[in-house]
Amino acid sequence: EVQLVQSGAEVKKPGESLKIPCKTSGYDFSRYWIGWVRQVPGKGLEWMGIIYPGDSDTKYSPSFQGQVTISADKSISTAYLQWSSLKASDTAMYYCGRLQLTTATNYFDYWGQGTPVTVSS
Amino acid sequence: SYELTQPPSVSVSPGQTARITCSGDALPKQYAYWYQQKPGQAPVLVIFRDTERPSGIPERFSGASSGATVTLTVSGVQAEDEADYYCQSTDSSGFHVIFGGGTKLTVL
Repeated sequence: EVQLVQSGAEVKKPGESLKIPCKTSGYDFSRYWIGWVRQVPGKGLEWMGIIYPGDSDTKYSPSFQGQVTISADKSISTAYLQWSSLKASDTAMYYCGRLQLTTATNYFDYWGQGTPVTVSS
Repeated sequence: SYELTQPPSVSVSPGQTARITCSGDALPKQYAYWYQQKPGQAPVLVIFRDTERPSGIPERFSGASSGATVTLTVSGVQAEDEADYYCQSTDSSGFHVIFGGGTKLTVL
């Protein structure tokens, strides 16, 4: 059974750093792209970026390029989303998802349950 | 930049048919996908490659594509179908995912 398990709620202060995990199981982690999606409370879904764990190829949305870092550790089948200096505007729910990404298709077939991040002084 | 446009809301009575549209210039060239998101839950894929339904998704969910518009149809709407629905596609690179703004389906 494919599973993506995310960590619990985070409460941070502006300027702090944060790295949230997305632990996967039930499939070959190295062979599927993993993506991250932001959802600000009461708002829609925003695609942040993706990583191919097999070779760490990474692609970012222009809106998030330089603001976050996506990484992966093949040894523990886990992807990460990282901030070096959080802002209040980073307060949101963050979802990871496994992608079916081929030359013709690109969609999330499995999702994590989300990690809520609150940034407040 | 590439955008997908959805109506903010659609309302139907139980048993009726709900249709949610999604428009975008790249849709004639790229597949569309639909996700259902209920309050406090992660999104769930309900339609992929314009018209295909994942296993476990009820048959009352169907998708159609016509030019620059794709449509999610929910036939015989049930109370449990009340949720936000998002369309999704990709840009010309095939890597960058685009989401529509979402449509709130209300079952009256």
